Amino acid sequence: NAGVTQTPKFRVLKTGQSMTLLCAQDMNHEYMYWYRQDPGMGLRLIHYSVGEGTTAKGEVPDGYNVSRLKKQNFLLGLESAAPSQTSVYFCASRRGGPANTEAFFGQGTRLTVV
Amino acid sequence: GQQVMQIPQYQHVQEGEDFTTYCNSSTTLSNIQWYKQRPGGHPVFLIQLVKSGEVKKQKRLTFQFGEAKKNSSLHITATQTTDVGTYFCAVLHGSSNTGKLIFGQGTTLQVKP
Repeated sequence: NAGVTQTPKFRVLKTGQSMTLLCAQDMNHEYMYWYRQDPGMGLRLIHYSVGEGTTAKGEVPDGYNVSRLKKQNFLLGLESAAPSQTSVYFCASRRGGPANTEAFFGQGTRLTVV
Repeated sequence: GQQVMQIPQYQHVQEGEDFTTYCNSSTTLSNIQWYKQRPGGHPVFLIQLVKSGEVKKQKRLTFQFGEAKKNSSLHITATQTTDVGTYFCAVLHGSSNTGKLIFGQGTTLQVKP
C-alpha cells in the first residue's frame, strides 16, 4: 500500500518550458489536492478535485492546469514555467463524505525554474 | 487569502520549555485539523477537533478548540528535539461539502538541546 506517490521528486526547468507533475493514490480517495510550499507562506492550495472528472481552483491557480481523468490520478501542469513557480509541490488526498477527513500527503516534488 | 491566521511564524525554545501555536479565524469553523511537518518531510495528520470547547491530548501535545469555534491552539509541554518541525492548522473553506482544504501559514518550531 503505497499511499500517495508523486512523480518526479526533483526537476529543474528552464523558463518557458512545460512539464506535468503526477500524483497517484491507491486509497480510493475522492478528494485530491495540489499545494505549493514556499518559505514563510505555508501550504497554498493551487487546485483540487472532489471526484473523477472534476477540478476546482484553489488560492493560487494562475499558471497551472490540472486534470483528473482517473480517480486515482491527479495531474498538475505548467504550460510555460516561470521562476516564480520555483517551489516544493505537495499532492494530497482524502476520503470524501460529509465529515472532514484527514489528508494524506505525497513526499513532495522540488521544482526549480531557472 | 488564508482563511486562518496562524501565529507565531517561528518559535525557538530551549529543550524542556513549553510551546504554543495558535490558529484564528474570522468565521465560525465546522472543524479544524492539525498537521506536523518534519524538516525535509511532508505534512502528517495529528488530530481533528469538531466540538466547541473540545480538548484532546496526545502525550505531551494538547489541542484545544475555542468555545466560539473560531480559534484553536496546540500546546506542547516540555519540548524535546523530536518536536522540531512546522505545525499547521487546516480548515475546510466554506461548507464542509466543498472539499476545499486550506492550511494556515504554519509555525516552525526549533528546539535547542
